[in-house]
Amino acid sequence: EDQVTQSPEALRLQEGESSSLNCSYTVSGLRGLFWYRQDPGKGPEFLFTLYSAGEEKEKERLKATLTKKESFLHITAPKPEDSATYLCAVQGQGGSEKLVFGKGTKLTVNP
Amino acid sequence: GAVVSQHPSWVICKSGTSVKIECRSLDFQATTMFWYRQFPKQSLMLMATSNEGSKATYEQGVEKDKFLINHASLTLSTLTVTSAHPEDSSFYICSAKFAGPYTEAFFGQGTRLTVV
Repeated sequence: EDQVTQSPEALRLQEGESSSLNCSYTVSGLRGLFWYRQDPGKGPEFLFTLYSAGEEKEKERLKATLTKKESFLHITAPKPEDSATYLCAVQGQGGSEKLVFGKGTKLTVNP
Repeated sequence: GAVVSQHPSWVICKSGTSVKIECRSLDFQATTMFWYRQFPKQSLMLMATSNEGSKATYEQGVEKDKFLINHASLTLSTLTVTSAHPEDSSFYICSAKFAGPYTEAFFGQGTRLTVV
């Protein structure tokens, strides 16, 4: 069974204080690993897709990396507007199209 | 990114009544749509996967007769919560995928259902 574990559950940073969020996964053949951002009371907003170990993607202050066992979401010099819950999900090689989500990391960036 | 619109954003209904939630892909054709339920401070729980023109595939433990899913076209899927009860109160979110295996899913804004 595919599983995703995210850590930490919650993270508080000062504005400008860089850090990383972790997503560990077990899957029978990875088709894709996805990062989403979710604001309270809203649906998840797509950030990145990573397909193979060694791949990296960047968007503004965010950078996602992937190994065979985990993915990191690096946040460089965060701003208060980066505060949100960040969700990681995987899609396995089985015939199903579904994503398996972690519980997320709630990030709070204080000014 | 692609746009998925979900309606309504919130709804309050009386116990025993039915509620329909719509999910539309506005600028692409979605061969597959997903319906999730999210409890406070929890992650997304997949309820069912639907493909256009065929019956939805429900996850274990999800009542098919209670949560009716229709995916009548490549841009519209609906979730009907039948005979709603207070325990059905939750945040329901849909997502849609392009055709093809290596594509991300885009999410609607969610529907907050409160059954009183």
